[in-house]
Amino acid sequence: AQSVTQLDSQVPVFEEAPVELRCNYSSSVSVYLFWYVQYPNQGLQLLLKYLSGSTLVKGINGFEAEFNKSQTSFHLRKPSVHISDTAEYFCAVSAGGTSYGKLTFGQGTILTVHP
Amino acid sequence: DTAVSQTPKYLVTQMGNDKSIKCEQNLGHDTMYWYKQDSKKFLKIMFSYNNKELIINETVPNRFSPKSPDKAHLNLHINSLELGDSAVYFCASSQDLAGYEQYFGPGTRLTVT
Repeated sequence: AQSVTQLDSQVPVFEEAPVELRCNYSSSVSVYLFWYVQYPNQGLQLLLKYLSGSTLVKGINGFEAEFNKSQTSFHLRKPSVHISDTAEYFCAVSAGGTSYGKLTFGQGTILTVHP
Repeated sequence: DTAVSQTPKYLVTQMGNDKSIKCEQNLGHDTMYWYKQDSKKFLKIMFSYNNKELIINETVPNRFSPKSPDKAHLNLHINSLELGDSAVYFCASSQDLAGYEQYFGPGTRLTVT
């Protein structure tokens, strides 16, 4: 079985400051990892994904994430946030075996960027 | 052009009623999904279809019945609505069964009174 834990339910930060949203996963097989963003009253939008290859993945809107297999983590980072980054962020995992094709989401982290 | 669209956006109904939510994607994808997002924003998969064939069927009550008339459409019918069914329901699609990049619709907020 696969699971995802997002370690912070809320992260407040000031504009232009760096931010890190933490995500840990567990799975007994190889995993594929994703970060999605949900703006208020909207659906989810894919920010970035790790399927294979380089462990540092770059996504849209200046976000990046690093896959760390030994620590089973996939933390999301941005060096300088904007007010428009205020949203809820979801980490998700998809694995092989019986979980093939199934995305399991974390509980979400609300990022609030203050002026 | 909206990639994944859902109707209606809001649905308010009474306990015991039957309702449907429609989903359409114009991306040419083979696989479509229904997710439920509860009041705590926890998102959980309910069903997936690939080329009109049911693939994933999580432990969802029998009152929920998905129907896929063609690979561009996946509808969700709910019988005998209960208070606990109140949630936001998202439709999504992906190119294939691997589902590595899923495109989500705007959601349908269902309120059961």
